[in-house]
Amino acid sequence: AQSVSQHNHHVILSEAASLELGCNYSYGGTVNLFWYVQYPGQHLQLLLKYFSGDPLVKGIKGFEAEFIKSKFSFNLRKPSVQWSDTAEYFCAVNAGSGGGADGLTFGKGTHLIIQP
Amino acid sequence: DGGITQSPKYLFRKEGQNVTLSCEQNLNHDAMYWYRQDPGQGLRLIYYSQIVNDFQKGDIAEGYSVSREKKESFPLTVTSAQKNPTAFYLCASSRGQGFRSTGELFFGEGSRLTVL
Repeated sequence: AQSVSQHNHHVILSEAASLELGCNYSYGGTVNLFWYVQYPGQHLQLLLKYFSGDPLVKGIKGFEAEFIKSKFSFNLRKPSVQWSDTAEYFCAVNAGSGGGADGLTFGKGTHLIIQP
Repeated sequence: DGGITQSPKYLFRKEGQNVTLSCEQNLNHDAMYWYRQDPGQGLRLIYYSQIVNDFQKGDIAEGYSVSREKKESFPLTVTSAQKNPTAFYLCASSRGQGFRSTGELFFGEGSRLTVL
């Protein structure tokens, strides 16, 4: 079974700092990769996704992620964070043998706090 | 507006009682899912269904039951056999079945269950 590891459970940054959240997965085959965000009091929403093609994907609100197949990684980055980026971030992978519809495996999440 | 509606948002239950959480979607998605979210644990898959009248156990199905009598609806029952039911429950859906699906999930706003 696949697993997803997020390296940092809590991250505290000041506004305008650069952000990188680590995500590694364990599966040797073809994967679809996702980052979801959960803002305080709101539902989970998709930040960005990778299916194939260019390994550098851009998402909403200035976020991007790079898929490095050799490292089994899909790290999330943002050059300059804002206070409104305070949220919980989840990395997820779909690599089921039954195809895409047997659910995503999520990491444990990273709680990001941006200090003004 | 298309989306996923979960009800109730907050639910209190006494020990030993079963409770059913509702999930309805009008996105015309084939697959539906139930996840449980606990602090520091990320999201864990309880059950999923790729088609009406069919569903599969996820990673933590014990103490839960589901039904899928209509494409739009996927209710979750938390039974008295679930040892630690207090949690935040998320319903999700995705387009397509099997290998036609990319795995991208669309989430409802969640139901918070507290057992007293």
